[in-house]
Amino acid sequence: GEDVEQSLFLSVREGDSSVINCTYTDSSSTYLYWYKQEPGAGLQLLTYIFSNMDMKQDQRLTVLLNKKDKHLSLRIADTQTGDSAIYFCAEKGGGSQGNLIFGKGTKLSVKP
Amino acid sequence: DAGVIQSPRHEVTEMGQEVTLRCKPISGHDYLFWYRQTMMRGLELLIYFNNNVPIDDSGMPEDRFSAKMPNASFSTLKIQPSEPRDSAVYFCASSLGILSNYGYTFGSGTRLTVV
Repeated sequence: GEDVEQSLFLSVREGDSSVINCTYTDSSSTYLYWYKQEPGAGLQLLTYIFSNMDMKQDQRLTVLLNKKDKHLSLRIADTQTGDSAIYFCAEKGGGSQGNLIFGKGTKLSVKP
Repeated sequence: DAGVIQSPRHEVTEMGQEVTLRCKPISGHDYLFWYRQTMMRGLELLIYFNNNVPIDDSGMPEDRFSAKMPNASFSTLKIQPSEPRDSAVYFCASSLGILSNYGYTFGSGTRLTVV
């Protein structure tokens, strides 16, 4: 079945780059997403990448997609304390319906 | 648009009581999703609707859980009777279309505590 795997924790120092990794199983995924959840809040869409792309850059965020290995990563440059949150990777499930499959989330802690 | 609106934000109830969670999706969105988030199990999809029709309810844990969408602007998730293990944050999300690069828009969630 479909599954999305992420490491649970990542700790970095302010100003460093953060790299959050994700693996997925559905090779037919059309879109892959990164969501951010701050404490006490809902999930907020950060960025997405279409499956025919290898890379997408959006200001401090860089998404890399390796379709062969079904590996997705999110790089945050110049990480700030405000980036501390849980980051979820998600893939669109197979079939004609639209439900997303989420990973369990990676908790990013940024130390000053 | 005010986004996806959920109510209440917090709910504390006694075991055995009925609990109703409410959601107003973004106007014009044709998909609505109910998720449950716990530390142990992460984010679980409970049920989703397309044009007010339930499409997949395989994630609903038991018959104690039910969800309705009487019209395009309102949905409810009901737990009757509630149990302590139902304590979690429940999220509603909506989206437009199935091949959307916008993903889902989530509400702020309802934190349910059953004592």
